Amino acid sequence: GDSVTQMEGPVTLSEEAFLTINCTYTATGYPSLFWYVQYPGEGLQLLLKATKADDKGSNKGFEATYRKETTSFHLEKGSVQVSDSAVYFCALSDQGNTPLVFGKGTRLSVIA
Amino acid sequence: GAVVSQHPSWVICKSGTSVKIECRSLDFQATTMFWYRQFPKQSLMLMATSNEGSKATYEQGVEKDKFLINHASLTLSTLTVTSAHPEDSSFYICSASPPNEQYFGPGTRLTVT
Repeated sequence: GDSVTQMEGPVTLSEEAFLTINCTYTATGYPSLFWYVQYPGEGLQLLLKATKADDKGSNKGFEATYRKETTSFHLEKGSVQVSDSAVYFCALSDQGNTPLVFGKGTRLSVIA
Repeated sequence: GAVVSQHPSWVICKSGTSVKIECRSLDFQATTMFWYRQFPKQSLMLMATSNEGSKATYEQGVEKDKFLINHASLTLSTLTVTSAHPEDSSFYICSASPPNEQYFGPGTRLTVT
């Protein structure tokens, strides 16, 4: 079945550092790919998404490119802030109304 | 954007009692709703898929008689945890899906004492 593998955390960075969180996937078809963010005690918020190969999703300085050849969707941000501290989940969906398959999540802590 | 609400946001109940969690799509009709469970510091695990007007489809290992799901309308799905036990304590998150999108609720934290 479909699966998502993302780098294990926790990841601790200093403010303004460069962030990369790796995500690779296995799917039989051509899934849509997502990054969700979960702040402490809260639900999931969609951070960005990409629906086809070579699409780049971006939001709030974060970006990720759908790489079909490497089955990857790595999350990047050029300069992290303390407010970016959260858990980040990579996910995929085969179709719009099918359940998401989530990675295990990566906890990011940004220190001032 | 589309909004999904959950009620209550947190609940504490005694072992053996039942708890109902509501998931509502506030500004769109959701033909499908999903219920996920999240243990502390872990990922979300799909519990069941709920389609309006039909029986829910449960994932393997999820007891359908313990986690009752009702999708009575295109804007409301409920999850009832029956005869709750401490091991049912968890964060329950729903998502609602019109065609080609999926929106998450804020989650309900259940603590069973």
